[in-house]
Amino acid sequence: ILNVEQSPQSLHVQEGDSTNFTCSFPSSNFYALHWYRWETAKSPEALFVMTLNGDEKKKGRISATLNTKEGYSYLYIKGSQPEDSATYLCAFSGGGADGLTFGKGTHLIIQP
Amino acid sequence: NAGVTQTPKFRVLKTGQSMTLLCAQDMNHEYMYWYRQDPGMGLRLIHYSVGEGTTAKGEVPDGYNVSRLKKQNFLLGLESAAPSQTSVYFCASSYFEELFFGEGSRLTVL
Repeated sequence: ILNVEQSPQSLHVQEGDSTNFTCSFPSSNFYALHWYRWETAKSPEALFVMTLNGDEKKKGRISATLNTKEGYSYLYIKGSQPEDSATYLCAFSGGGADGLTFGKGTHLIIQP
Repeated sequence: NAGVTQTPKFRVLKTGQSMTLLCAQDMNHEYMYWYRQDPGMGLRLIHYSVGEGTTAKGEVPDGYNVSRLKKQNFLLGLESAAPSQTSVYFCASSYFEELFFGEGSRLTVL
């Protein structure tokens, strides 16, 4: 069983502040690292798929970086807004047919 | 475009009863998955399928069976439900690894 760790488990951030959180994963047999955004009462939606060491992806105020050699990825949110409140999941892929191994998520709450 | 649809969305069972969860996708994806989500545990893979007529075990397959008779449908069965199977079940299909999830099915076993 692969170990995908996310920290912190939960995070309260003031509206307008920037924040970041971490995903650590096995550095061996790496194929891809995914980030998903999961709003309450909805289903997870893909944010980024990252494959290359040093890769950086951006979507609006959200960005992510990847270090495959040391096995970690950071997700950054700039100027947090209430609509950013959600659970953010990272998921490791070794490229096999059995899909992704998920971390337990970081639950982000943006306080007005 | 419905994407991934799960039925039913809610169900309450008594211990020992059986039931089937249906997942349907209209995106012509080959790969489909069933996950369960429990508090503090994250999403765990139950079974998956790489195409019509194929199934394989995931991380937590015990107590579940699956079938993929048609490409668009992936069924998850509980033959004799147990309280430990109380969970939220998510189906997903994938395209080049990106997962597309259904809205979840909340199952309670009393």
